[in-house]
Amino acid sequence: EIVLTQSPGTLSLSPGERATLSCRASQSVGSFYLAWYQQKPGQAPRLLIYAASNRATGIPDRFSGSGSGTDFTLTISRLEPEDFAVYYCQQFGSSPFTFGPGTKVDIK
Amino acid sequence: EVQLVESGGGLVQPGRSLRLSCAVSGFTFDDYAMYWVRQAPGKGLEWVSSISWNSGNIIYADSVRGRFTISRDNALYLQMNSLRPEDTALYYCAKGRSSGWNYFEHWGQGTLVTVSS
Repeated sequence: EIVLTQSPGTLSLSPGERATLSCRASQSVGSFYLAWYQQKPGQAPRLLIYAASNRATGIPDRFSGSGSGTDFTLTISRLEPEDFAVYYCQQFGSSPFTFGPGTKVDIK
Repeated sequence: EVQLVESGGGLVQPGRSLRLSCAVSGFTFDDYAMYWVRQAPGKGLEWVSSISWNSGNIIYADSVRGRFTISRDNALYLQMNSLRPEDTALYYCAKGRSSGWNYFEHWGQGTLVTVSS
């Protein structure tokens, strides 16, 4: 099973600041098989990034993804009030598909 | 517009069964793989099961294999048997990006399953 570890667990930042979220895999994951989701309280998750670096439809360009192999990063260039949420990485390259434990981005 | 609407959740005693449904619209259902994901109260996301476009490929998480059965027939289903308290969660259905395994492009709002005596 590929275990995904996300860090930090919580990121406390102010609007306008840059957020850098890490997702580390226990084994190499093909970039195609790595996605990022955003979840706000009381809402379903929403696809943000697919294939490690491609923004999903309607996602603002302040969100970007990068990485390969075992290390992936989600960057939010300038936090907007609506960006404070929990972010999950996911791999679907091998079964069982797994999610990371999430990084909560909250307001400092 | 893609819509996924889950139903069938509720309060059930340990050891009993429940069948979840996911009604879909806005896309050609038979062309896409589908998924179930759950989220225990206050916890993270856990993938439960996947079914390919033609039901030819089905996989389960170890935690539910042998107890849950995914199926599709103009809607997506999850038959849950021998339920345990640890199965308590909000269950989401999700639509994949393609006929095979892929990221989860669209999600429903979830249906809550509570397993308790």
